[in-house]
Amino acid sequence: GAGVSQSPSNKVTEKGKDVELRCDPISGHTALYWYRQSLGQGLEFLIYFQGNSAPDKSGLPSDRFSAERTGGSVSTLTIQRTQQEDSAVYLCASSSRTSGRDEQFFGPGTRLTVL
Amino acid sequence: AQKVTQAQTEISVVEKEDVTLDCVYETRDTTYYLFWYKQPPSGELVFLIRRNSFDEQNEISGRYSWNFQKSTSSFNFTITASQVVDSAVYFCALSGYTGANSKLTFGKGITLSVRP
Repeated sequence: GAGVSQSPSNKVTEKGKDVELRCDPISGHTALYWYRQSLGQGLEFLIYFQGNSAPDKSGLPSDRFSAERTGGSVSTLTIQRTQQEDSAVYLCASSSRTSGRDEQFFGPGTRLTVL
Repeated sequence: AQKVTQAQTEISVVEKEDVTLDCVYETRDTTYYLFWYKQPPSGELVFLIRRNSFDEQNEISGRYSWNFQKSTSSFNFTITASQVVDSAVYFCALSGYTGANSKLTFGKGITLSVRP
């Protein structure tokens, strides 16, 4: 079956502009995670969604970052007023249940470059 | 807070050599899970293995083997008879049991280069 998909695969934007990154999880997966991979910080957790529960936003680096998940499926990560330090690969993962024992399946990522 | 340390940053070996990738973790949870992921040059993270904190039995899968020792908080990964296709960045990760604790905490990764 289809894996996790993300769009766009690459995004180049100018400093100060807003961007939206999209994630389509595996059908039926209730848990969805966003991570960021950057040279300086490695792989770091951003936000977690489980069904209709309030998301865990503890990893979001600033209030310029927000995310939503509509209908328990597709998720959009929005970065407002982008800064050069936001340049990174943004990875989405989904899991069938909200347990550490369940494998997280990762998408191919969106490479964001802020000029 | 959870922490994963991969002290090795880059390893270079010649094909057919054995190589061990080290991983040390910190957690206050009694139930937790440990993972290894591979990230080849294509960029996608590939799941390799998951162990839970109650199962210290070592595991072997083909040329791959994993050694989990709670006494030293380590979860090391050995590739036997390495091949060029093993060249990638390898991440060790840790998660809690459920809910928001299921998020992964990653180490910095180890870049493995296997030369022909």
